[in-house]
Amino acid sequence: GDSVTQMEGPVTLSEEAFLTINCTYTATGYPSLFWYVQYPGEGLQLLLKATKADDKGSNKGFEATYRKETTSFHLEKGSVQVSDSAVYFCALSDGYGGGADGLTFGKGTHLIIQP
Amino acid sequence: GAGVSQSPRYKVAKRGQDVALRCDPISGHVSLFWYQQALGQGPEFLTYFQNEAQLDKSGLPSDRFFAERPEGSVSTLKIQRTQQEDSAVYLCASSPPGQGILVANVLTFGAGSRLTVL
Repeated sequence: GDSVTQMEGPVTLSEEAFLTINCTYTATGYPSLFWYVQYPGEGLQLLLKATKADDKGSNKGFEATYRKETTSFHLEKGSVQVSDSAVYFCALSDGYGGGADGLTFGKGTHLIIQP
Repeated sequence: GAGVSQSPRYKVAKRGQDVALRCDPISGHVSLFWYQQALGQGPEFLTYFQNEAQLDKSGLPSDRFFAERPEGSVSTLKIQRTQQEDSAVYLCASSPPGQGILVANVLTFGAGSRLTVL
């Protein structure tokens, strides 16, 4: 079955540091890949996505590139801010209409940015 | 509405009690999902509706869990005879029609209902 593995946290960085959160996946089909972010007390929010190999998703300074050859979708940001502190989830979906077009999530990585 | 609304936000139940969790999706959204998120874990799929039809319930952990969406809008997740292992945040997500092949591309999540079973 499908699965997502991401680096365990918490990850603690200083403000303006470079961020990488690793994510690798296993899927039977050709999935779309996602990063979601969960701020304290809030629902999951889509951060970025990529639907085919070599696509780069980007939003709010975050980027991730769909690497089919390494089955990876690592999240990066060049200079993190305190407001980026949250839990980040890597996810995939390979549904094609009907049935469960839902998402398979990783366990999440808690990111803490210190001023 | 402006977003996916879930109620109650917090529920404490004694072991053995029945609970009902409500999800109000965004108006006009056809697809609706329920997920279970245990502490420190990622969300796990429970069930999926397209309008009022429950197309997949393979993720429901036992026959104590039941979901319905009788009019194709509001959905209720019911847990009978709650157990401590049912303690989790229950997330609802919805998506509109006609947004491409992959429904998951346009999911909007609610803030969740946190269930604690004592």
